[in-house]
Amino acid sequence: QVQLQESGPGLVKPSETLSLTCTLSGGFISSYYWNWIRQTAGQGLEWIGRIYSTGSTNYNPSLKSRVSMSVDTSNNQFSLRLTSVTAADTAVYYCARAVPRSTVFGVVHAFDTWGQGTKVTVSS
Amino acid sequence: DIQMTQSPSSLSASVGDRVTITCRTSQTISSFLNWYQLKPGKAPKLLLYAASTLQSGVPSRFSGSGSGTDFTLTITSLQPEDFATYYCQQTYTTPPITFGQGTRLDIK
Repeated sequence: QVQLQESGPGLVKPSETLSLTCTLSGGFISSYYWNWIRQTAGQGLEWIGRIYSTGSTNYNPSLKSRVSMSVDTSNNQFSLRLTSVTAADTAVYYCARAVPRSTVFGVVHAFDTWGQGTKVTVSS
Repeated sequence: DIQMTQSPSSLSASVGDRVTITCRTSQTISSFLNWYQLKPGKAPKLLLYAASTLQSGVPSRFSGSGSGTDFTLTITSLQPEDFATYYCQQTYTTPPITFGQGTRLDIK
């Protein structure tokens, strides 16, 4: 059974860098898109970006200038870095796997496995 | 970006009720629409993908329909474990992947 687990500091100071790691168990990081999503208090879900096992990335344009992602296939992990954080970056951060599903109208990517989420607070 | 509008933002229902949640997109997305269930402290759960295909292991009381810009999630005969927050998601145009603002389903 594939499982994902986020890890990293729960408290980050303003202007510093938020760093999180997602560890995969029960499967392999090769193939698939690996995503980061966050949920801010009282707000919905915001997709941060994704990384393929080759290292190719796509980021949300709203965060692109501050986001970077990396993948470590040997350790079955992928990571998120978000620079220059402010209180607005306080959120529950999730990692998730996107799998391709073939349909009559094309290939749909759906997030079939998620971590439980990790709360990150930005505060001095 | 494709904007997603879910309605209602919240609703109250009783065990055994039938509920419908609507998701509307700002432009056509064919059937590239997924639905998720979120509960506090738990990993989010994929319910349906491609608008109407039930994810493996999800009870058949969940169903989805729609294409283009208008989609619905229906839960028949609500069970206690169904009280949660539901989100739609489009993966037609990326980046960015976008989500609806969520529908919170409470016990009446």
